[in-house]
Amino acid sequence: QQQVKQSPQSLIVQKGGIPIINCAYENTAFDYFPWYQQFPGKGPALLIAIRPDVSEKKEGRFTISFNKSAKQFSLHIMDSQPGDSATYFCAAWRSNTGKLIFGQGTTLQVKP
Amino acid sequence: ETGVTQTPRHLVMGMTNKKSLKCEQHLGHNAMYWYKQSAKKPLELMFVYNFKEQTENNSVPSRFSPECPNSSHLFLHLHTLQPEDSALYLCASSQDKNTEAFFGQGTRLTVV
Repeated sequence: QQQVKQSPQSLIVQKGGIPIINCAYENTAFDYFPWYQQFPGKGPALLIAIRPDVSEKKEGRFTISFNKSAKQFSLHIMDSQPGDSATYFCAAWRSNTGKLIFGQGTTLQVKP
Repeated sequence: ETGVTQTPRHLVMGMTNKKSLKCEQHLGHNAMYWYKQSAKKPLELMFVYNFKEQTENNSVPSRFSPECPNSSHLFLHLHTLQPEDSALYLCASSQDKNTEAFFGQGTRLTVV
């Protein structure tokens, strides 16, 4: 059973575009939602995270939008750059369990 | 560098071999994790250790045996693996089970 569903599987945008990656979760006990960025040959790196009492969080060019009632959250990358080309994973976490449940990942390509 | 170091980076082993993966963190964290990343599948949590005690075993086959001698080191002992166990094995650590996880670069394991 896929607890965190992520879409799309892959995404291609032009430089300056705004790619949007969507995730949906099922378990309402999740209370922390991070996004990770992974480059080839590297481990995932924490990008930005949000808690369900906040509807939006911005850090630089990255924004998370969170819809608690719909159990959905999304990542927006403003003014995307070729260096943003990577695989992005959403995740959901239930406090005090250490269990980070990942989505399937989205491979983003930003064309120059 | 995230402060989480995994060795070796690459490992090829036969199905009858015994090998070990090593993870070391220099962040003063108390929780450590093993994840498995297979192609086209979400990252799968395997084991969670908190203050050297195993708190989660996510139905992992016994051919994978974790060991956590102290809060800074985590091992994954491998024996009689199957080709389908070939994957990227990622170690992560966090201050505790309530905070963000930092990942190592992973060990690319190939079972032949």
